[in-house]
Amino acid sequence: ETGVTQTPRHLVMGMTNKKSLKCEQHLGHNAMYWYKQSAKKPLELMFVYNFKEQTENNSVPSRFSPECPNSSHLFLHLHTLQPEDSALYLCASSQLASGGYTDTQYFGPGTRLTVL
Amino acid sequence: AQSVAQPEDQVNVAEGNPLTVKCTYSVSGNPYLFWYVQYPNRGLQFLLKYITGDNLVKGSYGFEAEFNKSQTSFHLKKPSALVSDSALYFCAVRDRGSQGNLIFGKGTKLSVKP
Repeated sequence: ETGVTQTPRHLVMGMTNKKSLKCEQHLGHNAMYWYKQSAKKPLELMFVYNFKEQTENNSVPSRFSPECPNSSHLFLHLHTLQPEDSALYLCASSQLASGGYTDTQYFGPGTRLTVL
Repeated sequence: AQSVAQPEDQVNVAEGNPLTVKCTYSVSGNPYLFWYVQYPNRGLQFLLKYITGDNLVKGSYGFEAEFNKSQTSFHLKKPSALVSDSALYFCAVRDRGSQGNLIFGKGTKLSVKP
């Protein structure tokens, strides 16, 4: 798990707070992802960045705002969240090759978010 | 539509016995298939993948999986289970024609008892 790191590991916030989740990959990859993992539900892909450009936004509410300043860092800015947003947020990275093929995704340890 | 099914929410196995965690998929074209494992309060760890070639794929920690095109399955197996194998296992598929985004199954909890 040292290939992809995430901070903080745990976060408790109120509905009116603003916070950010950080992800950093040390694998030299050029694609990064945010996933949401809730209890009893499949992993939900939230955002995809290829070469720092956002290529996918899976109908995620605007209270989640991603930022990818470079190919190694990915942020998820949070504001005015709801209790149902409490979940494990996972970051992943992979290598996007020519022709659109992406290799294996490697995951960070996740941030356990609790919204009160 | 692409989908992955893991029909069992939980699999219980005695230590030393063989284990199988089932996965079936539905995609257009030929798939790339993956297995990941998640230990409590951890992220997903890559176990193995099938891209092409031999239908039997060997991965980390003694796990292997068999790609069966006719049955659209990719079951995860291990000849002799360990208590430390107890975790949540996810199957994932990517359509070769897609950008590379993975579709995950809902996960199967494996419990290995001494």
